[in-house]
Amino acid sequence: GAVVSQHPSRVICKSGTSVKIECRSLDFQATTMFWYRQFPKQSLMLMATSNEGSKATYEQGVEKDKFLINHASLTLSTLTVTSAHPEDSSFYICSASMGLRAEAFFGQGTRLTVV
Amino acid sequence: AQSVTQLGSHVSVSEGALVLLRCNYSSSVPPYLFWYVQYPNQGLQLLLKYTSAATLVKGINGFEAEFKKSETSFHLTKPSAHMSDAAEYFCAVSHGSSNTGKLIFGQGTTLQVKP
Repeated sequence: GAVVSQHPSRVICKSGTSVKIECRSLDFQATTMFWYRQFPKQSLMLMATSNEGSKATYEQGVEKDKFLINHASLTLSTLTVTSAHPEDSSFYICSASMGLRAEAFFGQGTRLTVV
Repeated sequence: AQSVTQLGSHVSVSEGALVLLRCNYSSSVPPYLFWYVQYPNQGLQLLLKYTSAATLVKGINGFEAEFKKSETSFHLTKPSAHMSDAAEYFCAVSHGSSNTGKLIFGQGTTLQVKP
C-alpha cells in the first residue's frame, strides 16, 4: 500500500517557539493532505485540508495563523505550530491522498510536547 | 452532515472470545465507512472499508464488519480475539458522498484482551 511518512515522530519544544512537522508521501503523488489532532484518549479531529499549490482549508475553530500549513509539492506538506504553548501539546497525524475523492493513507503521527 | 458514534469507550474480552465493537453512523448521503486500528503512539492502520459494494466487508487480521442500512450500523467483529488485538479502534465516515480522504471519526473504543 501507499506509504506516508511523518517527521519527527516526537518533538519537545519550549513555550513561545515554533515547530515544524513534515508529512511526506513516499510512493505516490498526494494532491490532498489532511492534518488531524488527537488529544490523549480522544478521537482525531480534522484541523485542515491542504491541496498542492493552494491555501489550506481550515476547520471551524482552528487558528490558521497558529497552525500554518504549506503544501508546496505533491509529496510534502508541512504543519508549523507557531508560538507554541503547553495547550498545543498533542498528537498530530497527517494523511495523504491522490485526490479529494481518493482513499487517504495515514502517517505515523507526531507527539508534540511544549514545555 | 455526517457523524459517527461508537458505543462503549472500553471493551474487554478474553483471549479467544468474540470481539464486537459497535459503530452507528448518521449520514445525509450514502456513506463510505471505515474501521481503523491505532497502537500506542502510532498512526492509523486501515482494517476495512465499506464503499457501497458488498454489505459484509472482510478486512485484515480476521476482522469483518457488516453494513446495515436499516440500523445505520457498521459493527466490527472478530470471531476469536488475540492478545495482539489490544489497541484503540476508530470507526469513521467519509465527509461527503464519495470515498474521500476527509474523515469524521468516532470517539474510539479501547479493546483490552485478557489472557
